[in-house]
Amino acid sequence: QVQLQESGPGLVKPSQTLSLTCTVSGGSFNNYDFYWSWLRQHPGEGLEWIGYIYSSGHTYFNPALKSRLSMSVDTSKDQFSLKLSSVTAADTAVYYCARDNIRHGYSTDSWGQGILVTVSS
Amino acid sequence: DIKMTQSPSSLSASVGDRVTITCRASQGIGNSLAWFQQKPGKAPKSLIYGASSLQSGVPSNFSGSGSGTDFTLIISSLQPEDFATYYCQQHNTYPYTFGQGTKLEI
Repeated sequence: QVQLQESGPGLVKPSQTLSLTCTVSGGSFNNYDFYWSWLRQHPGEGLEWIGYIYSSGHTYFNPALKSRLSMSVDTSKDQFSLKLSSVTAADTAVYYCARDNIRHGYSTDSWGQGILVTVSS
Repeated sequence: DIKMTQSPSSLSASVGDRVTITCRASQGIGNSLAWFQQKPGKAPKSLIYGASSLQSGVPSNFSGSGSGTDFTLIISSLQPEDFATYYCQQHNTYPYTFGQGTKLEI
């Protein structure tokens, strides 16, 4: 059973870069059947899809965030990471990492527990 | 981006009731529609993909249907643990987009 766990700072200053890592356990990270995604949820609001990375390093980002966004993957550690630059208070949210299943139409089948990131000085 | 619209935004029901939540896409998405359940303070849980296929471990009282632009989530007999917020998501075109959510209350 796959498990995903987000880690990173819970507090980031405005204009700085938000950096998060997702560690995947359960043996599926190097399986080419999956994309690895990030999503976020602003306090009290709905869900926003941020982007995905494939184990090859191929990425696709939400155009709304693309200019500030980068992702990377470390297959030796079963981890993938998110960097969001020039953050503002509008980037305060719970960030989730997730697994998208290619065999299920690229739909999300597993989620991390989420990590609250607050942007504040 | 494809806009997803759920109705109703909130719904009151009782244990044992049959509940229907609808989701409409602003353009055709085939059957690429997923449903998620979220409880307060918890991560979403994946319920359905491809409009009608249950994720592993999801109880059979959940079902989904639809194609094109109109989709439905049915909970056939509400259990106490089903009271939560439900989101639809299109997984046809990037960026994936979500409905605004339906809060199911007792």
